[in-house]
Amino acid sequence: DQQVKQNSPSLSVQEGRISILNCDYTNSMFDYFLWYKKYPAEGPTFLISISSIKDKNEDGRFTVFLNKSAKHLSLHIVPSQPGDSAVYFCAASAYKGAQKLVFGQGTRLTINP
Amino acid sequence: EPEVTQTPSHQVTQMGQEVILRCVPISNHLYFYWYRQILGQKVEFLVSFYNNEISEKSEIFDDQFSVERPDGSNFTLKIRSTKLEDSAMYFCASSGDSPLHFGNGTRLTVT
Repeated sequence: DQQVKQNSPSLSVQEGRISILNCDYTNSMFDYFLWYKKYPAEGPTFLISISSIKDKNEDGRFTVFLNKSAKHLSLHIVPSQPGDSAVYFCAASAYKGAQKLVFGQGTRLTINP
Repeated sequence: EPEVTQTPSHQVTQMGQEVILRCVPISNHLYFYWYRQILGQKVEFLVSFYNNEISEKSEIFDDQFSVERPDGSNFTLKIRSTKLEDSAMYFCASSGDSPLHFGNGTRLTVT
């Protein structure tokens, strides 16, 4: 099942710089997208979401961009902080209420001091 | 901030045994879920539960699996006869009019 793909298993970024995590999807029925962050031995924690009627959503240091025609979304973190080091999961669902999320494989982000 | 709690954090069982994984969702949430993550693989949807019944389930959620909300606070996942391939991290989640909130998971090891 490759409906949601995160092609970069890992990413290393200098503290203070921008982190950009990417996600692609194939199912055109998806219209609600989320990013979750996961620390070891913890469950995924919701970060930010975006509905397909928007192309950008911002919350503090986190911004999610959605390109529906390319079936691509990205998460920007700026400035990156050491506490941002975690695994980031992209997830998608067919509608906001469904919450049957399809997850990507995750990208391990490491912020270097 | 309210959170989803799961017990136990780690369960070891022998193949063929029954296990029950327990979850206490956030109190005012109405939708409950189980997801699992096999080591090295994606987080996968198992089942969603609303109004005391299953609202959706995946192909993974076969007759060996069942869910129950035995009282007003607990939500359980039962695996009747565990197989080696059931070894995974099992996450409970709940939601209201909000994105899913996940618990910290139960690591199930089937030997």
